[in-house]
Amino acid sequence: DGGITQSPKYLFRKEGQNVTLSCEQNLNHDAMYWYRQDPGQGLRLIYYSQIVNDFQKGDIAEGYSVSREKKESFPLTVTSAQKNPTAFYLCASSLATTYTYGYTFGSGTRLTVV
Amino acid sequence: QQPVQSPQAVILREGEDAVINCSSSKALYSVHWYRQKHGEAPVFLMILLKGGEQKGHEKISASFNEKKQQSSLYLTASQLSYSGTYFCGTWVINAGGTSYGKLTFGQGTILTVHP
Repeated sequence: DGGITQSPKYLFRKEGQNVTLSCEQNLNHDAMYWYRQDPGQGLRLIYYSQIVNDFQKGDIAEGYSVSREKKESFPLTVTSAQKNPTAFYLCASSLATTYTYGYTFGSGTRLTVV
Repeated sequence: QQPVQSPQAVILREGEDAVINCSSSKALYSVHWYRQKHGEAPVFLMILLKGGEQKGHEKISASFNEKKQQSSLYLTASQLSYSGTYFCGTWVINAGGTSYGKLTFGQGTILTVHP
């Protein structure tokens, strides 16, 4: 079955460390997205990518970086510059970045700073 | 800009109906609706496109009023499985009249259905 796989499910980070969250999809979707979700809040867009080797900043990109070297993969790095990284991170994909396509989400990575 | 959802929370008994509203301050190309159960990924319910259509999905339907820049999600004869947080996502029309390439989500409405 096609879908999005995020790993790990839980991740603990020490202060000052960079960590990378994995997101892989086998839906043959062109567009991929990273969202951050804090308790009781909606989803806020971190980065998105329309095609391979291209990505744009979302609303809260500071302290994060991404790459899109393959269509299937869109890893997110949470850098030490992100001051409050503890959150639930969701990766999503859609056929294209147009307003007519719904998103498929992965099951998320819960990041905790210790 | 983030769309505004109302109410923030709804508590129902099985079989009761509910309406969740989503309002935007900007003109919209489309509205998406998703449901998220605690600790899980949001699941796509439906998308409504510019043109003011109404769509249905089992006992869950939605409308999109383009002029008012609003969408409403209707849940009829609610079931226990309907419990979760419902998010609307809006795709805005920018000043140039073209679609702005991202979906912005509301803060969510928590729906709880009791037996």
